[in-house]
Amino acid sequence: GQSLEQPSEVTAVEGAIVQINCTYQTSGFYGLSWYQQHDGGAPTFLSYNALDGLEETGRFSSFLSRSDSYGYLLLQELQMKDSASYFCAVPGDYKLSFGAGTTVTVRA
Amino acid sequence: DVKVTQSSRYLVKRTGEKVFLECVQDMDHENMFWYRQDPGLGLRLIYFSYDVKMKEKGDIPEGYSVSREKKERFSLILESASTNQTSMYLCATTSQGRSGELFFGEGSRLTVL
Repeated sequence: GQSLEQPSEVTAVEGAIVQINCTYQTSGFYGLSWYQQHDGGAPTFLSYNALDGLEETGRFSSFLSRSDSYGYLLLQELQMKDSASYFCAVPGDYKLSFGAGTTVTVRA
Repeated sequence: DVKVTQSSRYLVKRTGEKVFLECVQDMDHENMFWYRQDPGLGLRLIYFSYDVKMKEKGDIPEGYSVSREKKERFSLILESASTNQTSMYLCATTSQGRSGELFFGEGSRLTVL
């Protein structure tokens, strides 16, 4: 099966940088995904890392180290609208398993 | 854009009632999923389907069943609702078997009294 560990909460001020770590244990690894979910909304896809290294998409970046079974999502230049829950996830055969989520609160 | 539509945004049911949650996607995707989301537990997979009339149990299938009679529609059924099934239910779809990207519906918040 799969298990994923991520911190439950992070708080930071506007303009700061936040790193959300995710460690995983899986049987058969294909990649690591990240999702964002605003309160009351649907989860939306942010990124997918199949290979080691850093992938940058605007203010958000995602990193993967397959040898360490570890990845992180980096949120830069934090804005109030970044207040949301962030989930790491690993795809398996036909399905995706999620971590419990990290609630990011951005303060003015 | 992929559109995933869940039939009801909010439902209130009584213990023992049969509950149907329906999900329709408009992108001709093969794979469809039902998750439930509870605080502190993240998203847990109930059932999934990779083709019409095919279904596979996820991590927490007990108390649920599903139906996939048409490619675009995937229904979640609670045969006899219980209070511990009060939750947010999320339908999702993807076109790839090992994809990191799912497209979610807006969710159905079910309260069982």
